[in-house]
Amino acid sequence: QQQVKQSPQSLIVQKGGISIINCAYENTAFDYFPWYQQFPGKGPALLIAIRPDVSEKKEGRFTISFNKSAKQFSLHIMDSQPGDSATYFCAAGYSTLTFGKGTMLLVSP
Amino acid sequence: DAGVTQSPTHLIKTRGQHVTLRCSPISGHKSVSWYQQVLGQGPQFIFQYYEKEERGRGNFPDRFSARQFPNYSSELNVNALLLGDSALYLCASSLLEIGYEQYFGPGTRLTVT
Repeated sequence: QQQVKQSPQSLIVQKGGISIINCAYENTAFDYFPWYQQFPGKGPALLIAIRPDVSEKKEGRFTISFNKSAKQFSLHIMDSQPGDSATYFCAAGYSTLTFGKGTMLLVSP
Repeated sequence: DAGVTQSPTHLIKTRGQHVTLRCSPISGHKSVSWYQQVLGQGPQFIFQYYEKEERGRGNFPDRFSARQFPNYSSELNVNALLLGDSALYLCASSLLEIGYEQYFGPGTRLTVT
């Protein structure tokens, strides 16, 4: 049973555009929702995370939007740059993390 | 500051063999978690250790085992390797037992032939 569903599987955005990746979870016990960025051959790097007591969190060009009633959260990358091209994973947890399947983002110059 | 380190970087083993993977957490971090990442998928939780005790186990067979040492480093052992064990094995460290802010190492790429 997949507990965290992530979409889209891949995404192409022009430089300067907004990249949006969505995730949905099933387990209402989850209370921590991070996003990770992974480059080929590297381990995932923690980007930004949110807890369900807030609906939005922004760090630089990265914003998480959280909808507790819908059990959904999303990552927005503003002013997307070619260096943002990577695979992005959402995750959810309360003691350990359950990951989505990932979104491969390509930002075209 | 040094991040999470893992060794070896790459490993090639034959079916039936066993393997030991090693992880050193960020200095001061007491919790270590292990994940398996199959190509094209997200990391899947295997074990969590905190203060040398197992605190969580994912849905993996008993061929997988781990331990944490007094210096908080950790080993993941896999016995009777199968072709399906080929994956990137990731170690993540966190400050607390409820290790939400988990920081990952570069991983060990295991290939089973």
